Amino acid sequence: DTEVTQTPKHLVMGMTNKKSLKCEQHMGHRAMYWYKQKAKKPPELMFVYSYEKLSINESVPSRFSPECPNSSLLNLHLHALQPEDSALYLCASSQVASGNTIYFGEGSWLTVV
Amino acid sequence: ELKVEQNPLFLSMQEGKNYTIYCNYSTTSDRLYWYRQDPGKSLESLFVLLSNGAVKQEGRLMASLDTKARLSTLHITAAVHDLSATYFCAVENNDMRFGAGTRLTVKP
Repeated sequence: DTEVTQTPKHLVMGMTNKKSLKCEQHMGHRAMYWYKQKAKKPPELMFVYSYEKLSINESVPSRFSPECPNSSLLNLHLHALQPEDSALYLCASSQVASGNTIYFGEGSWLTVV
Repeated sequence: ELKVEQNPLFLSMQEGKNYTIYCNYSTTSDRLYWYRQDPGKSLESLFVLLSNGAVKQEGRLMASLDTKARLSTLHITAAVHDLSATYFCAVENNDMRFGAGTRLTVKP
């Protein structure tokens, strides 16, 4: 089972809302990632968790707040977003954070209105 | 800062033809990945290349890595319509950087 599950698949939120994106994997992977992808652009790394600890934060604005409750779950909490934050948010995981295949979830399409 | 350049960015080819997509990167790395993305979909892992001279093949696609030249290629043999997609290379060096992607269209 090489599956990374993301919910919700689609989210529309206002600029004053607070929402969360959720990601789950049951492959025993110890590295989990959040990527942001704008239309017709490559994915951009936002955060990396390795063994449930935040190891990389690519200068992401504080209105995005990641959380890793356990080794199978990764959340991205959203607050006071801007319309330009509308994008596909991809969660991914790999066995460890280097030199391994990274498996991507189907993504969460976020629209900020 | 690691930079990853892919070319071409757009590729339109006839079925049955061969072509190569190139991926150059700016700093030392021996970990390179190729992904496929269909419109509106997530990324599908195609190849993981972890050493100089690595070559991997799956169906009509073959990927290679030359770490000395900082170059990876994705070769398409006898293209078929089903290969139409966007192909990304990604290079790992502390973190993962993606190339801009090559949008491939295979025409009958």
